[in-house]
Amino acid sequence: GQQLNQSPQSMFIQEGEDVSMNCTSSSIFNTWLWYKQDPGEGPVLLIALYKAGELTSNGRLTAQFGITRKDSFLNISASIPSDVGIYFCAGQGGNTGKLIFGQGTTLQVKP
Amino acid sequence: GAVVSQHPSWVICKSGTSVKIECRSLDFQATTMFWYRQFPKQSLMLMATSNEGSKATYEQGVEKDKFLINHASLTLSTLTVTSAHPEDSSFYICSARVTLNRATQYFGPGTRLLVL
Repeated sequence: GQQLNQSPQSMFIQEGEDVSMNCTSSSIFNTWLWYKQDPGEGPVLLIALYKAGELTSNGRLTAQFGITRKDSFLNISASIPSDVGIYFCAGQGGNTGKLIFGQGTTLQVKP
Repeated sequence: GAVVSQHPSWVICKSGTSVKIECRSLDFQATTMFWYRQFPKQSLMLMATSNEGSKATYEQGVEKDKFLINHASLTLSTLTVTSAHPEDSSFYICSARVTLNRATQYFGPGTRLLVL
């Protein structure tokens, strides 16, 4: 079946630094989504990507849908303490509407 | 827009009892809702797809008689954990899809279930 590999698994950075994380798929996806989850909460949608090559920003966040349709990255610029959390990529490859999730990237920001 | 609520946010119950969790789309109609389960420090695991007016589609390995799903209206889906046991303790999260043309799902805040 389809699999997503998300990396890195965790990051510990200094406030103000930029962050980059990515996901790769074993097969083609037609939608890439990035979510952030705080402890004890449900995931919150950050960015949605629907076309290969699409580059979309949401404030300090930027994400791209890879041209091969098998990968996506998320960048966070000038990190702040409230960026702490777990970031998940998710993708859809067929028409079932079901999403496949990456393993998550845990981000910690040192003030 | 695209707000999804869940109730209750947490529940503690005795082994053998049944627990119902509600998932509501507050400002849109959702023909499709999804139920996930999440263990500590792990990713989301899809349990089932809930379609309004029809039977839910369960993922492989998920017992449909154990986890009853009802999607009676375009804004409400319920998950009932029947005869709960301690191993059913987990974080249950629902999501809803806004349109049929997009795969984007919006998630509820989750329900923490603890079975004693």
